[in-house]
Amino acid sequence: AQSVTQPDIHITVSEGASLELRCNYSYGATPYLFWYVQSPGQGLQLLLKYFSGDTLVQGIKGFEAEFKRSQSSFNLRKPSVHWSDAAEYFCAVAHSGGYQKVTFGTGTKLQVIP
Amino acid sequence: DAGVTQSPTHLIKTRGQQVTLRCSPISGHKSVSWYQQVLGQGPQFIFQYYEKEERGRGNFPDRFSARQFPNYSSELNVNALLLGDSALYLCASSLGGQGGEKLFFGSGTQLSVL
Repeated sequence: AQSVTQPDIHITVSEGASLELRCNYSYGATPYLFWYVQSPGQGLQLLLKYFSGDTLVQGIKGFEAEFKRSQSSFNLRKPSVHWSDAAEYFCAVAHSGGYQKVTFGTGTKLQVIP
Repeated sequence: DAGVTQSPTHLIKTRGQQVTLRCSPISGHKSVSWYQQVLGQGPQFIFQYYEKEERGRGNFPDRFSARQFPNYSSELNVNALLLGDSALYLCASSLGGQGGEKLFFGSGTQLSVL
């Protein structure tokens, strides 16, 4: 069964500092991997997605993620965080079969301090 | 273009009651999925519907049911509500409903069961 682990429940960074959010997945084959962001009271917005090809994926809002098969990881990074990045971030995995079940991690809440 | 719309935005019910949540996908999207997000957790897959047929079902009891209409809108029904059903219910749509497609989420319906 597919699963996602986000070990950090809460992270605080200073505005302008770099950010890395950790994600580990478990899946039998090559998975689709995603990062979504959720602002308070809102639905989720896709930041980026990986399936194959270049292991460094660029997303929206200046985010990138690196797929490392050997570590079963898909960490999200941003070189310089803005106050508007404060939100909850979810790593997710989907199987490549004929239906669309996405398994989400428990999320990492990002706080940005001035 | 309108995004995914869900109604109502908030709902309060008592234990044992029944509830119906509604979702309109983005125009042209034929797949609708439902997710339950309990406070402090990531969303959990409930159902996926594509072209009015159920494509996938998560690990939820039979009290949960859904359907999709010819215009691709969808309803999620929950019978015999329990306190543990209190959650944010998210609807997501996609074009073809395949595993790796981008999901577009609505803002959700916040259900409180008293």
